[in-house]
Amino acid sequence: EVQLVESGGGLVKPGRSLRLSCTASGFIFGDYAMSWFRQAPGKGLEWVGFIRSKTNGGTTEYAASVKGRFTISRDDSRNIAYLQMNSLKSEDTAVYYCTQEIAPAAVWGQGTLVPVSS
Amino acid sequence: SYELTQPPSVSVALGQTARITCVGNNIGSKNVHWYQQKPGQAPVLVIYRDSNRPSGIPERFSGSNSGNTATLTISRAQAGDEADFYCQVWDTTIDVVFGGGTKLTVL
Repeated sequence: EVQLVESGGGLVKPGRSLRLSCTASGFIFGDYAMSWFRQAPGKGLEWVGFIRSKTNGGTTEYAASVKGRFTISRDDSRNIAYLQMNSLKSEDTAVYYCTQEIAPAAVWGQGTLVPVSS
Repeated sequence: SYELTQPPSVSVALGQTARITCVGNNIGSKNVHWYQQKPGQAPVLVIYRDSNRPSGIPERFSGSNSGNTATLTISRAQAGDEADFYCQVWDTTIDVVFGGGTKLTVL
């Protein structure tokens, strides 16, 4: 069964950092791009960024709202994608989801909540 | 930046047909994907590349895309179809964009 499990969420103060993990199983992780999306409480879906497969260069792209503060990386030996979030702001408060591929994203994790508050 | 506009809400009588639109400049030239999200759950892909259904999605869900409007159609609406629906597009010129979402209510 194809599965994604996010972890690492939790309450964090503004200006601090947090790293989320997305652990994959059930598919050849290295063959796929991995994306991160988020959803603020009561709001719609927002793309955060993605990392291409190493076959496609392993490069990253980010939404303007997080560029320069967030970094996506991957460890294909451990089947994990990471989202490093620095200089967090209150407006980064959201449920963060990782997905297999970018668009369409057929596989989503269950999400992990990141409240940013003092 | 590229914008996708969805109606905030759509209502449909039980057993009737619901249509949810997604308006964007020349959206017909792009691949549109649709997601269903029920409260407290992760989104589920219901239509990809305009009109294709993933495995496990009922035939009652269909999609079309032309001109400036993409449409998700839900036939024979059921109570279990109530959810928020989002359209999505992606290409290298506009990054990944979602519509604002539409809340479907089945009366």
